[in-house]
Amino acid sequence: GESVGLHLPTLSVQEGDNSIINCAYSNSASDYFIWYKQESGKGPQFIIDIRSNMDKRQGQRVTVLLNKTVKHLSLQIAATQPGDSAVYFCAENIPNAGNMLTFGGGTRLMVKP
Amino acid sequence: EPEVTQTPSHQVTQMGQEVILRCVPISNHLYFYWYRQILGQKVEFLVSFYNNEISEKSEIFDDQFSVERPDGSNFTLKIRSTKLEDSAMYFCASSETRSGNQPQHFGDGTRLSIL
Repeated sequence: GESVGLHLPTLSVQEGDNSIINCAYSNSASDYFIWYKQESGKGPQFIIDIRSNMDKRQGQRVTVLLNKTVKHLSLQIAATQPGDSAVYFCAENIPNAGNMLTFGGGTRLMVKP
Repeated sequence: EPEVTQTPSHQVTQMGQEVILRCVPISNHLYFYWYRQILGQKVEFLVSFYNNEISEKSEIFDDQFSVERPDGSNFTLKIRSTKLEDSAMYFCASSETRSGNQPQHFGDGTRLSIL
């Protein structure tokens, strides 16, 4: 059988509002971070990345903020749309630990029309 | 936009049987990966592959698992003798350069169900 899963934190927002999804990463040596979006039945889809020598990076409607002091990453989505509804994962890469990504537990974003 | 493709989308297998999951990475990518996601849980790293050999593997990737790049386009994950706890989504990913420089791009996965 399949294991009981983790309870995903859920963020519910109104269409058109801004969303902020947070992530606490595990390793202070991590030098590269990625946000992925995962829709039901699909694989993780790349949204935006940031290196540890930056504290902010902007994309189309998305902004990632990195606070290395407290090992915190956030994803801001402007003017949230129903199509943004998904589970969002942060992932970190630890240098000298190879090519693996370590994923966080995920946050479910629900957009109310 | 180029993408990673995986087949089959769903595989149902009896416990103890061998399964092969197939992936076609993005064509100019050099690094290949397998991850798994047990229902409702985190995505977990299994193995990375570069230059026709394993670069890293996790504790999950035991002797029952193997990977192969049989030709210039396919990348496969074999589970020799499946167990119930192998039931999960298996994702293939690829990247142009080593992790830490470019993002890994994921396929839509194979759902493996062990009976």
